Amino acid sequence: DQQVKQNSPSLSVQEGRISILNCDYTNSMFDYFLWYKKYPAEGPTFLISISSIKDKNEDGRFTVFLNKSAKHLSLHIVPSQPGDSAVYFCAASGFRDDKIIFGKGTRLHILP
Amino acid sequence: KAGVTQTPRYLIKTRGQQVTLSCSPISGHRSVSWYQQTPGQGLQFLFEYFSETQRNKGNFPGRFSGRQFSNSRSEMNVSTLELGDSALYLCASSRTGRKGSYNEQFFGPGTRLTVL
Repeated sequence: DQQVKQNSPSLSVQEGRISILNCDYTNSMFDYFLWYKKYPAEGPTFLISISSIKDKNEDGRFTVFLNKSAKHLSLHIVPSQPGDSAVYFCAASGFRDDKIIFGKGTRLHILP
Repeated sequence: KAGVTQTPRYLIKTRGQQVTLSCSPISGHRSVSWYQQTPGQGLQFLFEYFSETQRNKGNFPGRFSGRQFSNSRSEMNVSTLELGDSALYLCASSRTGRKGSYNEQFFGPGTRLTVL
């Protein structure tokens, strides 16, 4: 039973445009959400997080939106840059424990 | 500040063998979590250790075990290896393992295990 779903295995976006990565979750007990970025041969690196008491969190070019009623979150990258080409993982954790559940990832390709 | 280190980086074993992977967290971090990454399943949580105690556990068989030492270094052991255990094993450390942007997880580069 996959509790965190990233339904798009890959996404291609033109450099300079907006990249939107989507994530759905099924467990209403999740109250903290994170995005990680992973380059080949490296471990994931933390990008941005959002608590369930918020619906938006912004950090530079990265903004995460949370729609609790739809159990959906998205990561917006504006403008997209070549270095943004990587695999992006959506993750969530609940207030019962701090175990982090990851999605399967979306590979983002930024096209020149 | 040194990052999370994992040894070895690559490992080849045969079915039925056992393997031990090592993780050294960032200095001052007391929580260490282990994940298995496979192409089809993404990152799956194995377990988390804090102050030498297993605090959280994922849905993996008992062949997967771990421990944490007093200096917060952690080891993960897989016994009776199966072909399906071939994966990238990632270790992540954080100060306390509790939620909060101040307590993000930092990942190591991983150990690539191949079971033949």
